[in-house]
Amino acid sequence: NAGVTQTPKFQVLKTGQSMTLQCAQDMNHEYMSWYRQDPGMGLRLIHYSVGAGITDQGEVPNGYNVSRSTTEDFPLRLLSAAPSQTSVYFCASSYRSRELGTEAFFGQGTRLTVV
Amino acid sequence: SQQGEEDPQALSIQEGENATMNCSYKTSINNLQWYRQNSGRGLVHLILIRSNEREKHSGRLRVTLDTSKKSSSLLITASRAADTASYFCAQVPTGANNLFFGTGTRLTVIP
Repeated sequence: NAGVTQTPKFQVLKTGQSMTLQCAQDMNHEYMSWYRQDPGMGLRLIHYSVGAGITDQGEVPNGYNVSRSTTEDFPLRLLSAAPSQTSVYFCASSYRSRELGTEAFFGQGTRLTVV
Repeated sequence: SQQGEEDPQALSIQEGENATMNCSYKTSINNLQWYRQNSGRGLVHLILIRSNEREKHSGRLRVTLDTSKKSSSLLITASRAADTASYFCAQVPTGANNLFFGTGTRLTVIP
């Protein structure tokens, strides 16, 4: 049971380069999201999706794009990397349940450095 | 920002002691959750408490919720060195599915 899988684990980019962070889950969760974690800032929500074909912006969406063509995959694209995007990125998934509330499952993170 | 805040930012205790972490948030919530993060790893869910609950237990964990004060606390009893980690509270605002995280408490348990 893989859970939430993120690739790559580490990445170094030059300013202006683009790349895609991959996230896949095998739990048939409707809800998926991307966070970035910076020292002293906790986790901040970048984008999220409540199902295939549906995405929306979180707290800090600028400079990032997402798509959700399947239930399993939720890639995060950096369009033109900037040093301010140096961070650790986490993907999470959960069942979609407003009334009951459910736990989120996290990937192991991608540590991105932009030079 | 919808981020909550946690207090203290860092906590250092001896093995066997209890650890208490506090969390404050800004909006009405559906539920509040606590997560643990070991250094360099992903977050792991510990416990969820709904807005109509006031206290919840899970093993050595005890969580309280005071919606009138928009605050929660996490108590870890009889701490162990293996409890050393960062602990985050996260809220699901009313009518939303998103989790909004606090800034975390770094707990160090000294053997």
